[in-house]
Formats: sequence, C-alpha cells, structure tokens
Amino acid sequence: ETGVTQTPRHLVMGMTNKKSLKCEQHLGHNAMYWYKQSAKKPLELMFVYNFKEQTENNSVPSRFSPECPNSSHLFLHLHTLQPEDSALYLCASSQDRGRDYIPTQYFGPGTRLTVL
Amino acid sequence: AQKVTQAQTEISVVEKEDVTLDCVYETRDTTYYLFWYKQPPSGELVFLIRRNSFDEQNEISGRYSWNFQKSTSSFNFTITASQVVDSAVYFCALSPPRGGGSNYKLTFGKGTLLTVNP
Repeated sequence: ETGVTQTPRHLVMGMTNKKSLKCEQHLGHNAMYWYKQSAKKPLELMFVYNFKEQTENNSVPSRFSPECPNSSHLFLHLHTLQPEDSALYLCASSQDRGRDYIPTQYFGPGTRLTVL
Repeated sequence: AQKVTQAQTEISVVEKEDVTLDCVYETRDTTYYLFWYKQPPSGELVFLIRRNSFDEQNEISGRYSWNFQKSTSSFNFTITASQVVDSAVYFCALSPPRGGGSNYKLTFGKGTLLTVNP
C-alpha cells in the first residue's frame, strides 16, 4: 500500500461541473501539498498546508478551492474549470516538524483531469 | 532564487547501456537539499534519493549512482546496465533549508524522459 493515495485516478468533467479530488496520507506527516503537472511544463506548486493551515497559495485561480480538515486529508474542490486546467494533479506530504525533520515530499499517484 | 536545469529533454538508450542524467542547480543558500524523483507512465513521482549539501559523498544503490559536485553545482544520476523498466521521466529537485517556520519548497527541473529500448 502506498503512503499517499489519491482518488479518483481519472476524472472527466465539463466546464460547468463541480467535482472534488481527494488525497490521503498514511505517513503521519503534518504538511500536505497540491501540485499541477501540465504537458511539457514543470511541476507547479499550487497550495501548501501545514497542520491544517494553509501556508502557501501560489496565485491559484479561485475556481480551485483547497480544503484540509486534518493533517491526513487534503481535498481540491473544482468548479467552472477551463479546458486549460486539464492536467495531472499530484498530492504530496512531508514531515515538517522538529529539529530533525526529513525534508522529503512523498507523492501520490495523481488524478488525471480532463476538462471538456 | 533557486533554479534547476536538466538540459537533456529526452534520452534513448538500448537495454544494458549505462546512462547519465545531468542536473545543474543554482542557489544562494549555503545549505540545501537535492533530490531525484522518478515518474513512470503511471504518473506517481517516486522518491529516489535526497542529498544534503554538506554531504558530497557519492552514493550507489544497486544499479543507481549519484555524483554530487558542489564545485560545479551538479548532481548527476547514472543508471548502470539500464533496463526497460527504467523508462520514465526523471526529475531533479532542490530545496532550501528550513527557515522562518515555513515549509520548504521544492524547485523542480523540467525532467528528462528516458526511454530504454529492448
């Protein structure tokens, strides 16, 4: 079993739909991240949560709405998306606590999103 | 500002060949971390190695080896006797040391697509 899981793995939605992506980490980490990976583009950091608090919003459009109810779960709520939002959305987690923290992000398998 | 450059966009080799993936980085930090990740066609980024800037020892793990040279700001990755299963996109990444109570950020290179042909 992988340490970070994401559902669904594939999602096709229309521009008027509302959907949510879910991420769950089983590693006991306190920080969670959303990344966007578009074709032929570098990985883009979208949001960072630390102990459920959002610490980073990388100028992401408001049609993407994150939610972090606890340190193990992270959601990305999607509404009125555009075709250019089609991408692979990756979730990651890391341990960012204490003097001997381990600065490695562990990634989930991603959700491949297609917006029609 | 931090920057990671993977100049090789795509590499194609025949099985059993050795292949080296290049990574050059820029940072003003005196301490930092370097990483390599593998992304197979399934999409998941798999962590391969983390290196602290204080530790310049090269590392070998099976068929994988990493050459960290601070003098040239490079952190190259070599796969010996490549196999078809090594086909993937490989990302090099850089993070600053933790500071100011904020999460560290990974700066990724654009990745190198490695294709190993039978």
